Amino acid sequence: GDQVEQSPSALSLHEGTGSALRCNFTTTMRAVQWFQQNSRGSLINLFYLASGTKENGRLKSTFNSKESYSTLHIRDAQLEDSGTYFCAADPSNTNKVVFGTGTRLQVLP
Amino acid sequence: AQTIHQWPVAEIKAVGSPLSLGCTIKGKSSPNLYWYWQATGGTLQQLFYSITVGQVESVVQLNLSASRPKDDQFILSTEKLLLSHSGFYLCAWSLEYEQYFGPGTRLTVL
Repeated sequence: GDQVEQSPSALSLHEGTGSALRCNFTTTMRAVQWFQQNSRGSLINLFYLASGTKENGRLKSTFNSKESYSTLHIRDAQLEDSGTYFCAADPSNTNKVVFGTGTRLQVLP
Repeated sequence: AQTIHQWPVAEIKAVGSPLSLGCTIKGKSSPNLYWYWQATGGTLQQLFYSITVGQVESVVQLNLSASRPKDDQFILSTEKLLLSHSGFYLCAWSLEYEQYFGPGTRLTVL
């Protein structure tokens, strides 16, 4: 069955505001990655976490393996943040990777 | 620095025709390699992965096959395309678990 539930599916933010995306996992995951997919389809690596929290500029991500979820926080959103955001996780002891269904983010002026 | 190249950039093919998509990684020795497929507006679905030359594991076949003829090359192919094969194909590499993606190939099957 589905192992990664991502929410929200779509999000609109005005420039300068922020929000959070979330992925819930239905099985134990070894690590999580977050990507931004731009309009050309390129996947940009945002974070890789085996546990804990990482921050990079206006983005912050947390992976709680015990409670099986990960979040991506965006603050002070800019127009260039628009795109589709995916989480991806690999179940423990496999070489398989499961992607979330994506969050389509639109940043408005 | 490592680079990942996919070819072709885009293809328009007829149903029933053969297909071969390629991916090369330069600057990394013995990477793990992956193929993904993404329907328009959809999420990514892992198709195959390879840990070493000549070895490929199938995750979801979708009437496609993959091969790894060289350490830095991963090939996705089929002898007969279906309409459902249309979409965006992405190759990725990793050394351990963190994956890095290529620019993708957009395939339209008519």
